[in-house]
Amino acid sequence: DVKVTQSSRYLVKRTGEKVFLECVQDMDHENMFWYRQDPGLGLRLIYFSYDVKMKEKGDIPEGYSVSREKKERFSLILESASTNQTSMYLCASSFPIGSGGYTFGSGTRLTVV
Amino acid sequence: SQQGEEDPQALSIQEGENATMNCSYKTSINNLQWYRQNSGRGLVHLILIRSNEREKHSGRLRVTLDTSKKSSSLLITASRAADTASYFCATPTQGGSEKLVFGKGTKLTVNP
Repeated sequence: DVKVTQSSRYLVKRTGEKVFLECVQDMDHENMFWYRQDPGLGLRLIYFSYDVKMKEKGDIPEGYSVSREKKERFSLILESASTNQTSMYLCASSFPIGSGGYTFGSGTRLTVV
Repeated sequence: SQQGEEDPQALSIQEGENATMNCSYKTSINNLQWYRQNSGRGLVHLILIRSNEREKHSGRLRVTLDTSKKSSSLLITASRAADTASYFCATPTQGGSEKLVFGKGTKLTVNP
């Protein structure tokens, strides 16, 4: 069964910590994405990668960075976590969009205290 | 960013009934997608309909697309309690963009 795996389901971090959220896919997808989901705001795109070492900012990249050193792995980095980054983080991957939809991971619920 | 908007925001029905959710979007697209999210989990891709298609079926799901009205609908027939979830439509940010913009979803509750 093909899947996208996010390393943690729940995470609690302190303000100012550097936080790494990891995402691995086993489908040889070119595209990978990080979204955050908040009540009333829906899903918002943080970053997108269309190839190894390639990245593109989404709608809300401030306070985040990403790394894609290998095709299967896309990491989201919170350089200095803040309480307003408390959220559900969703990773997804896809082939070029006309071929089908996104496959999502189960999500990481991050709480910054 | 362009965003699909689902309607209604919430829908409560009895098992066996049909559920219809609507999505409106703002600019030209080459495809529209529907996803389901069970509480606290990731989204699951349900169906993709291309701009040159008017209707598509997958099991108990029926999706229509009206590009002249910039709208789509998702119909779930003979609903089950297991269909309880939030349903989202998603459209490319621009034309053939790889990036999707998601609506805020319709929360469907199917009562046994």
